[in-house]
Amino acid sequence: AQRVTQPEKLLSVFKGAPVELKCNYSYSGSPELFWYVQYSRQRLQLLLRHISRESIKGFTADLNKGETSFHLKKPFAQEEDSAMYYCALGYNAGNMLTFGGGTRLMVKP
Amino acid sequence: EAQVTQNPRYLITVTGKKLTVTCSQNMNHEYMSWYRQDPGLGLRQIYYSMNVEVTDKGDVPEGYKVSRKEKRNFPLILESPSPNQTSLYFCASKLGATQQGGKNQPQHFGDGTRLSIL
Repeated sequence: AQRVTQPEKLLSVFKGAPVELKCNYSYSGSPELFWYVQYSRQRLQLLLRHISRESIKGFTADLNKGETSFHLKKPFAQEEDSAMYYCALGYNAGNMLTFGGGTRLMVKP
Repeated sequence: EAQVTQNPRYLITVTGKKLTVTCSQNMNHEYMSWYRQDPGLGLRQIYYSMNVEVTDKGDVPEGYKVSRKEKRNFPLILESPSPNQTSLYFCASKLGATQQGGKNQPQHFGDGTRLSIL
C-alpha cells in the first residue's frame, strides 16, 4: 500500500540557515509527488511537484527513486517560510492523493 | 477569481443531526475531492469524483456520502454525524485526466470547514 512519511513533526531553524524537510514514500508504481504548504489560517497551496523540477520561493525538491525520497530543501530560510508543509503522493492515475503527517517549520529571527 | 468555495466555514452541531458541507468550484474542473485533516495524520481522502455522476471512495469514506449532480458542486453529507467526525475538512478540485492539460495536475484546495460534533 502507498504511504508517505514525514519523520519530523516540527523543525525549528534560525533565519538564514539551510532547511531540509524530509519525505519518504512507499509505492509500487510510478509516483507523482507534491509538496503543499499551509500558512497560518490559509488554505493548502501547491509549492512544488516533482515533474516540474522547478524552484518556488527558493525551495527545491528532487525525487530519489533509489531512496524513495522527495526531500524539500532551501539554502537560506526566511521568517516568512514558517508554515506547515505536507508531502503528498498521487496515484491511481492521479485520482487519489496520500499525504504525510506534515512538518511544521518555524524560522526564528 | 478561480477558486474552490466551501460552506459553512465553521459548524458546531450535535450527534445524529444530518449536515451537508457544500463545495463549489468555478474552474470547470472535472475532478473534485474531499479530505479531512487531523493533527498528526495529515490529510486523508474521503471521497473523490472524476466527473458528473461518478464518485469513488477514498481512504476514509465511512460515515460520509457525496453526490456530483453538476460539475461545479460536490457536497459532503454526514447523515448521522458522530464526535469522531470532528475535524477540519477540505474540498479540492483539479482538471480531469481527460481535460486538455489535465495530466499530472495539482489539486486546488478550498479554505476548509471546521466541524465540531458534540
